[in-house]
Amino acid sequence: EVQLVESGGGLVQPGGSLRLSCAASGFTFSSFWMHWVRLAPGTGLVWVSRINNDGRTTNYADSVKGRFTISRDNAKNTVYLQMNSLRADDTAVYYCARGPFDFWGQGSLVTVSS
Amino acid sequence: DIQMTQSPSSLSASVGDRVTITCQASQDIYNYLNWFQQRPGKAPKLLIYDASNLETGVPSRFSGSGSGTDFTFTISSLQPEDIATYYCQHYHNLPFTFGPGTRVEIK
Repeated sequence: EVQLVESGGGLVQPGGSLRLSCAASGFTFSSFWMHWVRLAPGTGLVWVSRINNDGRTTNYADSVKGRFTISRDNAKNTVYLQMNSLRADDTAVYYCARGPFDFWGQGSLVTVSS
Repeated sequence: DIQMTQSPSSLSASVGDRVTITCQASQDIYNYLNWFQQRPGKAPKLLIYDASNLETGVPSRFSGSGSGTDFTFTISSLQPEDIATYYCQHYHNLPFTFGPGTRVEIK
């Protein structure tokens, strides 16, 4: 059974940092691109970032470029999202999703507030 | 960036009704379109990929059609468990933008 489990969310002050993790199981992790998508309160889904299967290619939404970094450890079947210089408008539930967007984690809430 | 629009933004229908949602892309995305269902507090669920292909395990009352810039998502007979927000998303190029969502409620 494919499972994606996010962790690392929480409350952080503006300008602070947080690292999200997404642990994968039930499939050959190293064969798939992985994505992060977020859902902010009262808004819709927004694609944030993606990473290719070997970690050498990464892409970001303009709104997070230069502040967020996606990475992966195929030995640990885990994808990460390092979030720096956090702003109030980064407040959202962050989901990891497998490449074709066919499986998603349950989400991790990030709240940026003083 | 490709902009995605959806209509209506919300709808209310009776159990058994046929429900149709439209999605329009700001430029040609061929058939690179997903449809997702998101129930409150839950993760999005892929229902339709490549505009018209039903994801494995998804009930056949869900269907999608279209290509280019205009797409349609249909629930042939609305069920109580279909209460959710539905999103289209293109994957023609980056960024993979989503539509604003359509909230479906039971009348």
